[in-house]
Amino acid sequence: DAGVTQSPTHLIKTRGQQVTLRCSPKSGHDTVSWYQQALGQGPQFIFQYYEEEERQRGNFPDRFSGHQFPNYSSELNVNALLLGDSALYLCASSLPPGAEAFFGQGTRLTVV
Amino acid sequence: DAKTTQPTSMDCAEGRAANLPCNHSTISGNEYVYWYRQIHSQGPQYIIHGLKNNETNEMASLIITEDRKSSTLILPHATLRDTAVYYCIVRVGGSSNTGKLIFGQGTTLQVKP
Repeated sequence: DAGVTQSPTHLIKTRGQQVTLRCSPKSGHDTVSWYQQALGQGPQFIFQYYEEEERQRGNFPDRFSGHQFPNYSSELNVNALLLGDSALYLCASSLPPGAEAFFGQGTRLTVV
Repeated sequence: DAKTTQPTSMDCAEGRAANLPCNHSTISGNEYVYWYRQIHSQGPQYIIHGLKNNETNEMASLIITEDRKSSTLILPHATLRDTAVYYCIVRVGGSSNTGKLIFGQGTTLQVKP
């Protein structure tokens, strides 16, 4: 079992650009959540996808959007990147939504 | 979800038990205590969770006080690989569990040789 896999592992983008991060959940898991972790801080919940719909959302602007595909994989999109969007983006999967979450290694996004 | 309070950092000698405290004085009757840890540059890892009874698994033990206002995570024989940030999280369980995790600052545990 490959666990939760995220791609890419590292990414550098320019302010104002758009970025797409990808996540494949642990085998059999149908729920995917995304978190943002700034340096030195705990992860902050962005949103959760279940049955291809956004079920919950944290306190993040509309620039952050997502999608879940029929195979349960998910994408996180961030538009109009700001320097403050530089962070480690973590994907977590579970089955069902409230069960123990398994996290991927994350994508390190740097906005310059 | 109830708020938790943890010490910022702790040290532990290799081979000794590491006892990590967490205060959650506003916990509700249907809220569980969860522990995750995050080793540097990796994603958080689930350790253990409990409601009111003490719990033990292959990684750790969780001791919850009778009034449920505090708990302690015990790593029985800490190794250098246990050096990490440990997060105590309280969240609603059962069918009301939405899955959202609210992380605080956590406790940085440094295991020393």
